[in-house]
Amino acid sequence: AQTVTQSQPEMSVQEAETVTLSCTYDTSESNYYLFWYKQPPSRQMILVIRQEAYKQQNATENRFSVNFQKAAKSFSLKISDSQLGDTAMYFCAFMVRYGNKLVFGAGTILRVKS
Amino acid sequence: EAGVAQSPRYKIIEKRQSVAFWCNPISGHATLYWYQQILGQGPKLLIQFQNNGVVDDSQLPKDRFSAERLKGVDSTLKIQPAKLEDSAVYLCASSLGGTAQFFGPGTRLTVL
Repeated sequence: AQTVTQSQPEMSVQEAETVTLSCTYDTSESNYYLFWYKQPPSRQMILVIRQEAYKQQNATENRFSVNFQKAAKSFSLKISDSQLGDTAMYFCAFMVRYGNKLVFGAGTILRVKS
Repeated sequence: EAGVAQSPRYKIIEKRQSVAFWCNPISGHATLYWYQQILGQGPKLLIQFQNNGVVDDSQLPKDRFSAERLKGVDSTLKIQPAKLEDSAVYLCASSLGGTAQFFGPGTRLTVL
């Protein structure tokens, strides 16, 4: 079974600064997908970024980028130029194959301070 | 394009009562998921439908939970009878079958 671990229950960052959220996972699969989802206080889960395990290049979406270390089974999210609207719960998630369920970590609460 | 719709948004019931949640996925999305999110935890899959067939219900407590997806569109999730530990947010998500899942706003259930 796949497991996802987020070891930082809460993080805070000053507006305009950079923050990194950590995630590790465990799987015996060689190909899979990794995700970061954002859940603002309104509760609607939004996809932030996605990484395919067979791609060595780290995914980037505007201010969001990942550091994917396949051998270490590590998948961290870097948020640059943090904004107040980035305040949310962030979940790391794993999908073993196309269309399958998402397996989520416990989440990290990120607070951006002005 | 309309997103995933869920109702009700909030529900408070006494233990041993029954409750039902409704989900309307994004039009054309064949795959529908129900997740349970207990406070302080990440969402956990309860059941996955492909059209109106069940793909994965291995984590669904079948003695009290049931779900259906009639005509491969809307879905309902029912709990009967509810227990205190069922207090959670119930999230519905849909997808075209790829990796992108789109989530609804969720239903927050409180069991007293």
